[in-house]
Amino acid sequence: DVKVTQSSRYLVKRTGEKVFLECVQDMDHENMFWYRQDPGLGLRLIYFSYDVKMKEKGDIPEGYSVSREKKERFSLILESASTNQTSMYLCASSPGTGGSGGRLEQFFGPGTRLTVL
Amino acid sequence: GQNIDQPTEMTATEGAIVQINCTYQTSGFNGLFWYQQHAGEAPTFLSYNVLDGLEEKGRFSSFLSRSKGYSYLLLKELQMKDSASYLCAAMDSNYQLIWGAGTKLIIKP
Repeated sequence: DVKVTQSSRYLVKRTGEKVFLECVQDMDHENMFWYRQDPGLGLRLIYFSYDVKMKEKGDIPEGYSVSREKKERFSLILESASTNQTSMYLCASSPGTGGSGGRLEQFFGPGTRLTVL
Repeated sequence: GQNIDQPTEMTATEGAIVQINCTYQTSGFNGLFWYQQHAGEAPTFLSYNVLDGLEEKGRFSSFLSRSKGYSYLLLKELQMKDSASYLCAAMDSNYQLIWGAGTKLIIKP
């Protein structure tokens, strides 16, 4: 089974702190994603990556950056945390895109509930 | 623009059948996904439709009409453990998922 792990289930940080959220997948997936999930809203894509050292902005990249130095690891960085970044952060991975014959569904980690005070 | 609509909340009785609808508008289309998400947990994959018609998987079935931009998830023989949010997501021409806000399903005994 695909396993996606995230470094913390719960995290409390102060405004202005630098925050690192780590995500690791063990199935050699090419694609990795970072979402945030807030009540009443759908999952919103922050950043995604199709390959090592490659990154693409999603719908809401402001205030975030990412790093993918190894295929299995995708990190989300909040350079200076703010209260409006309090949210559930979900990491996901998927094996490939259409045309490759690969499966398209995304596999999610357990999530990190981040509170910024 | 791209958009997904699904009801915010539905209530059903244990043992009954419920249908959760989803309508979508995307730039291009590469399939429709349904995920289940229990409170405080990660979404888990339920189904994927890219061709018109009904796909059945045990108690759960998913239907797609591409011409109408419409899908539904059908849950039969409801169990208390089916209480969860059900997320509809459409994949656009860039293979990006556009997510609905989710439908919270409440099962009553």
